[in-house]
Amino acid sequence: QKEVEQNSGPLSVPEGAIASLNCTYSDRGSQSFFWYRQYSGKSPELIMSIYSNGDKEDGRFTAQLNKASQYVSLLIRDSQPSDSATYLCAVKGTGRRALTFGSGTRLQVQP
Amino acid sequence: NAGVTQTPKFQVLKTGQSMTLQCAQDMNHNSMYWYRQDPGMGLRLIYYSASEGTTDKGEVPNGYNVSRLNKREFSLRLESAAPSQTSVYFCASTSSTQGATEAFFGQGTRLTVV
Repeated sequence: QKEVEQNSGPLSVPEGAIASLNCTYSDRGSQSFFWYRQYSGKSPELIMSIYSNGDKEDGRFTAQLNKASQYVSLLIRDSQPSDSATYLCAVKGTGRRALTFGSGTRLQVQP
Repeated sequence: NAGVTQTPKFQVLKTGQSMTLQCAQDMNHNSMYWYRQDPGMGLRLIYYSASEGTTDKGEVPNGYNVSRLNKREFSLRLESAAPSQTSVYFCASTSSTQGATEAFFGQGTRLTVV
């Protein structure tokens, strides 16, 4: 079992729709969770961090964390073609000093 | 602010050649990391340095060495390049020594070993 799992996609949504990206993790003691966006040929850039159960909203982005289910998700409202990218889930595991990344979900927003 | 700067951006090596990837950050961060990214495999940790003067192996350290030259700079060396080391390499840094805060990435080095 991978430590951080994501569906590779592609996830295709029409412009204006809500895109829902999911991530599960295996280390129950994990405390810090991050979503990164990576455009093709570019470096990852942080879009959301979440540390406690529940929802955290920032503009069109909402991160959701459920530690009991070991599940973190990212919702993108009013999706735009410019949101088309690969979204990486990253987790800080117990005793780890570096983030562990999932393999990413490729999102395609159709105009 | 430049953030995290990596050099070079592109490199082609022949099998057996050596090279050093350079990374510098100007955010006064404590921890620095080297990751490699291969298609379908996400980012995998090669080495990290939790603070100046310390380095530790990550998930895939074989074939690499690192040096934390000072608080700003963290270099990655390939002593004898192999085709399996063809990848995109990213340097990152965080303010936390425990890796609990968000990581900031350099622009990446695309390395091809032929």
